[in-house]
Amino acid sequence: DVKVTQSSRYLVKRTGEKVFLECVQDMDHENMFWYRQDPGLGLRLIYFSYDVKMKEKGDIPEGYSVSREKKERFSLILESASTNQTSMYLCASRPGLAGSYEQYFGPGTRLTVT
Amino acid sequence: KQEVTQIPAALSVPEGENLVLNCSFTDSAIYNLQWFRQDPGKGLTSLLLIQSSQREQTSGRLNASLDKSSGRSTLYIAASQPGDSATYLCAVCHSGYALNFGKGTSLLVTP
Repeated sequence: DVKVTQSSRYLVKRTGEKVFLECVQDMDHENMFWYRQDPGLGLRLIYFSYDVKMKEKGDIPEGYSVSREKKERFSLILESASTNQTSMYLCASRPGLAGSYEQYFGPGTRLTVT
Repeated sequence: KQEVTQIPAALSVPEGENLVLNCSFTDSAIYNLQWFRQDPGKGLTSLLLIQSSQREQTSGRLNASLDKSSGRSTLYIAASQPGDSATYLCAVCHSGYALNFGKGTSLLVTP
């Protein structure tokens, strides 16, 4: 079974802090994704990566950056956390053949910025 | 831009009923469509994936259909159980990479 793990289930940070969210997958997938989920807005794509050191902006990249130094790990970075970044963050991965395979999601990180 | 809509937003049924959840999308040029289940405060669990060339997929009591030309998919749940209570999300793969999600249908199955 595919396993996608996220470093924390719950996280509380202060405004202005730099925040790192880590995601690791164990199935050698090429593609990895970061989404955020908010009530009434659904899931929105922040960034994705289709290979090591490669990244593409999603629909809402402002205030975020990402890092993918190893194939199995994809990190989301909040350079200076703000209260409007309080949300549920979900990581996903998928094999490399474009469009043909399902995405697998991690358990999510509930981030609160105070 | 691909828009995905799910109707109804919420549904409550008694145990044992068969039910249908609906999903529509605006651009029929999709690679595939995926149905997910999400329990409160948890991540997404993949239920079914339908490729653009397929008409339906089945897994146990679940059956998902796809009519790409009309931009519609349905998720049929047979003989519903209280354990089926969750939010069901529909997502389409439009660009070849990321998914566009609907806002979900919140299902409550009462004993």
